[in-house]
Amino acid sequence: NAGVTQTPKFRILKIGQSMTLQCTQDMNHNYMYWYRQDPGMGLKLIYYSVGAGITDKGEVPNGYNVSRSTTEDFPLRLELAAPSQTSVYFCASRGEVQETQYFGPGTRLLVL
Amino acid sequence: LAKTTQPISMDSYEGQEVNITCSHNNIATNDYITWYQQFPSQGPRFIIQGYKTKVTNEVASLFIPADRKSSTLSLPRVSLSDTAVYYCLVGAGGTGRRALTFGSGTRLQVQP
Repeated sequence: NAGVTQTPKFRILKIGQSMTLQCTQDMNHNYMYWYRQDPGMGLKLIYYSVGAGITDKGEVPNGYNVSRSTTEDFPLRLELAAPSQTSVYFCASRGEVQETQYFGPGTRLLVL
Repeated sequence: LAKTTQPISMDSYEGQEVNITCSHNNIATNDYITWYQQFPSQGPRFIIQGYKTKVTNEVASLFIPADRKSSTLSLPRVSLSDTAVYYCLVGAGGTGRRALTFGSGTRLQVQP
């Protein structure tokens, strides 16, 4: 049981490039979340999903897109990278009843 | 979503008990209170969750007064490894399209 895994761990992008951050969980959780965390700050919700085929915007969705074709995977897409998207990105999942979210190790993204 | 307020930082020494209080005046009837711990360069980790009175596990205790407008996370006999950021979150238990909001947290520094 690996929990929540994220790839890559670290990436440098040039302005205008695109990339997909991968997130996979093996706990059969319906709820999945993407957060970003800027230095010294708390986490801000980007997008979340309550099940395969269903996604919703969080606090800061602009510049990002998500999809949820399977229960296990919840990729986050950056289409036109901007310096303001330099951050650490965390994916999380939780079960149906328990409020506990399980977090992945994070992806550190630097946009230059 | 109920807004939470907690101290920005706290200092302690090894072996002491640390109490971190969180206020959540607008907590709703079906809201649970959850605390997470985050170490640098890691995702948040669940510590404890409660609805009312007192909850204890192997890591911490959570005290919730009858009016539930605040809660106190108690860490007994802290060690250097307890140096981290602690987040208090309030949200509804159960199903539904909902995501928790992370504030800035409380940065706990444990000194030798």
